[in-house]
Amino acid sequence: QVQLQESGPGLVKPSETLSLTCTVSGGSIGRYFWSWIRQPAGKGLEWIGRISSSGSTSYNPSLKSRVSMSVDASKNQFSLKLTSMTAADTAVYFCARSRGATLFDYWGQGSLVTVSS
Amino acid sequence: DIQMTQSPSSLSASVGDRVTITCQASQEINSYLNWYQQKPGKAPKLLIYDASSLETGVPSRFSGSGFGTDFTFTISSLQPEDIATYYCQQYDTLITFGQGTRLEIK
Repeated sequence: QVQLQESGPGLVKPSETLSLTCTVSGGSIGRYFWSWIRQPAGKGLEWIGRISSSGSTSYNPSLKSRVSMSVDASKNQFSLKLTSMTAADTAVYFCARSRGATLFDYWGQGSLVTVSS
Repeated sequence: DIQMTQSPSSLSASVGDRVTITCQASQEINSYLNWYQQKPGKAPKLLIYDASSLETGVPSRFSGSGFGTDFTFTISSLQPEDIATYYCQQYDTLITFGQGTRLEIK
């Protein structure tokens, strides 16, 4: 059974960079796309971007200038960096697997990130 | 960007009721649409993909239809465990989610 687990700081200061990692277990990171999705408290889902197992990326245009993603197939991990964090970036951040870059069939449990000084 | 508009934003229904949620895309997306169920404190769960295909293991009371810009998600007979927020998601151009429909028991 494929499992995803987010890890990273729960608190980030304004203007700093968020770094999150998603570790995939129970399956290979190869042949799939891997996404980050976030959800502010009480609000809807926002797709941040995705990375393929070979490192090809696509980002949400609204976040593109601040986002970068990377993949480490040897560790079965992929990562998110989001720069210039503000209070508006406070949210639960999910990592998820994409089948064919179309749907999300496996998700992490979510990691709450709060932006505050 | 493709915008996805769901309606209603919230819905109250009784156990056994037929429930319908609609999702409209701001431009044609063929059948490139999925539906998810999210319960409080949990990650979303895929229910329907490609507008009308039922994900493995999902009860048959859930169904989807539509093509182009207008899509429908139906629960044929509402069960207490179906209380959740439902989201549509397009993948024609990158990824966009609808704003969600909160379903409550009357």
